[in-house]
Amino acid sequence: KNEVEQSPQNLTAQEGEFITINCSYSVGISALHWLQQHPGGGIVSLFMLSSGKKKHGRLIATINIQEKHSSLHITASHPRDSAVYICAVPTSGSRLTFGEGTQLTVNP
Amino acid sequence: ETGVTQTPRHLVMGMTNKKSLKCEQHLGHNAMYWYKQSAKKPLELMFVYNFKEQTENNSVPSRFSPECPNSSHLFLHLHTLQPEDSALYLCASSQVGGTPYEQYFGPGTRLTVT
Repeated sequence: KNEVEQSPQNLTAQEGEFITINCSYSVGISALHWLQQHPGGGIVSLFMLSSGKKKHGRLIATINIQEKHSSLHITASHPRDSAVYICAVPTSGSRLTFGEGTQLTVNP
Repeated sequence: ETGVTQTPRHLVMGMTNKKSLKCEQHLGHNAMYWYKQSAKKPLELMFVYNFKEQTENNSVPSRFSPECPNSSHLFLHLHTLQPEDSALYLCASSQVGGTPYEQYFGPGTRLTVT
């Protein structure tokens, strides 16, 4: 069992739909990261949160520390949101443990 | 623009070749990382350098040899690789003592070993 698990692994949506990607972790953390990886490989940090909720444009991230669970929501999804979304948690030292990623495809 | 650059972006090499991957960060950070991303697998940490000193080697085979001449540059020297080493190799940097664990990633080098 991975220390960081994401669901679903693959998600296909129609443009405009509300998207939810989930992340559950079994290790203690100080902050959880949501990352976005576009085709071609580059990774961009979307959010880092240790409690509550953060919003940036159409993206919303929430975390429940007690339940060790975080969700990433995308409102009014668009084809340009198609990417792999990865959650990561700090474990020890400088180490981040990553989930396997969720491949999101938004069709026009 | 992430502030972390990697060259080359794509590399095809034979098992007997020797090549090097280069990473440069323009963010003034003092920690740099090499990650390997294989298909359908999570990112795997390979090496960590803090203030030019290697602080983590995640049981990486010796055919991968890192070098960190200064806080802005990181290399990964490759020799006698195996086909299973084909993957995306990502470099990242962060500020030790800064926002906890916030790492900035480069675009990656797509490596194919033939």
